[in-house]
Amino acid sequence: GQQLNQSPQSMFIQEGEDVSMNCTSSSIFNTWLWYKQDPGEGPVLLIALYKAGELTSNGRLTAQFGITRKDSFLNISASIPSDVGIYFCAGQLIQGAQKLVFGQGTRLTINP
Amino acid sequence: NAGVMQNPRHLVRRRGQEARLRCSPMKGHSHVYWYRQLPEEGLKFMVYLQKENIIDESGMPKERFSAEFPKEGPSILRIQQVVRGDSAAYFCASSPPRGTGPYEQYFGPGTRLTVT
Repeated sequence: GQQLNQSPQSMFIQEGEDVSMNCTSSSIFNTWLWYKQDPGEGPVLLIALYKAGELTSNGRLTAQFGITRKDSFLNISASIPSDVGIYFCAGQLIQGAQKLVFGQGTRLTINP
Repeated sequence: NAGVMQNPRHLVRRRGQEARLRCSPMKGHSHVYWYRQLPEEGLKFMVYLQKENIIDESGMPKERFSAEFPKEGPSILRIQQVVRGDSAAYFCASSPPRGTGPYEQYFGPGTRLTVT
């Protein structure tokens, strides 16, 4: 089945640093989404990408939909303590109401 | 402006019992998805439903698991004769009908099932 490879698996950074994580696939996806999950909670949608090459920002977060449709990255600038959590990429083969395929997650830890 | 609601948040069952997990989608959403998450892993798709219809159950185990989304009331994920391997967090997500805007899926807080 389809798989998303997300890296890195974990990151330990200092407050104020920038963060970059990415997701790759052997299959083409037509939608990419990035979620953040806090302990004991459900994933919260951060950014949705619908077109190849699209670059979208949400505050300090920026995500891009790769030109090949097989990858996406998420950047967080000037990290703050509340950025701690697990970040997941998710892909959708067909835009619209369809199942999501998730990456394994990137666990972000911030040292104050 | 309620989000996706799931209950119970925590459920403990002994091996062999039945587990019923409920999900109410966001207002105006007619598509419901169930996902399972094991510790330290990403979410895995189980089933996609619309009102009174199962659209895609390709991720659902063939035995003991069933799901429904009736005309009235919440969506139910039912696990019969639970085993220890069923212990996981189960998340429900919803999205709006086709043609009404972005199709992003919004997740509920999850039900954490523990089988003893």
